[in-house]
Amino acid sequence: IAGITQAPTSQILAAGRRMTLRCTQDMRHNAMYWYRQDLGLGLRLIHYSNTAGTTGKGEVPDGYSVSRANTDDFPLTLASAVPSQTSVYFCASSLSGGEDTEAFFGQGTRLTVV
Amino acid sequence: GQNIDQPTEMTATEGAIVQINCTYQTSGFNGLFWYQQHAGEAPTFLSYNVLDGLEEKGRFSSFLSRSKGYSYLLLKELQMKDSASYLCAVRDSNYQLIWGAGTKLIIKP
Repeated sequence: IAGITQAPTSQILAAGRRMTLRCTQDMRHNAMYWYRQDLGLGLRLIHYSNTAGTTGKGEVPDGYSVSRANTDDFPLTLASAVPSQTSVYFCASSLSGGEDTEAFFGQGTRLTVV
Repeated sequence: GQNIDQPTEMTATEGAIVQINCTYQTSGFNGLFWYQQHAGEAPTFLSYNVLDGLEEKGRFSSFLSRSKGYSYLLLKELQMKDSASYLCAVRDSNYQLIWGAGTKLIIKP
């Protein structure tokens, strides 16, 4: 079934540890995104990539890094986790970063940093 | 700054009609989206407006007024499965989505 897959679905992480959240899509979408969702706040963009080989910073990039080595994969890395990074993380993709109409979301990764 | 406002929570009765409002102030406008998000799940696309007026899709309709920075999502013949959060998002001049915090809709029998 075509779609977008995230792993892990949930994780408890000790502060200071490094963690990579995985995201893979098989829809051949050019654009991919990482959001975090916190209670009472809208989805906030962390990083994005409009095409393989390029990435950009979103609204809240500090403490996170991404890479886009190919079309399908867009991993998000927390170099040294802090409690304020406790959140639900959603990866999304869209056909392009421009005029297309909708983004497709993965099921999310619930991350708790203790 | 950029801002999307929508009510935090609304309650409606099964079979009734509910209107969820969204007002926005963004740097540029390249379309407005509504997404549905059930608790613990991913957001899913409902509707897209880029021109003024009403877009109808089954029981759901979405309206846009660009001059007023205003949109609403209208849900008719409410069903229990419509209990979810409804997210309003605007695509700004940089083609980035700016998201509201969402409206939690509670449907009562």
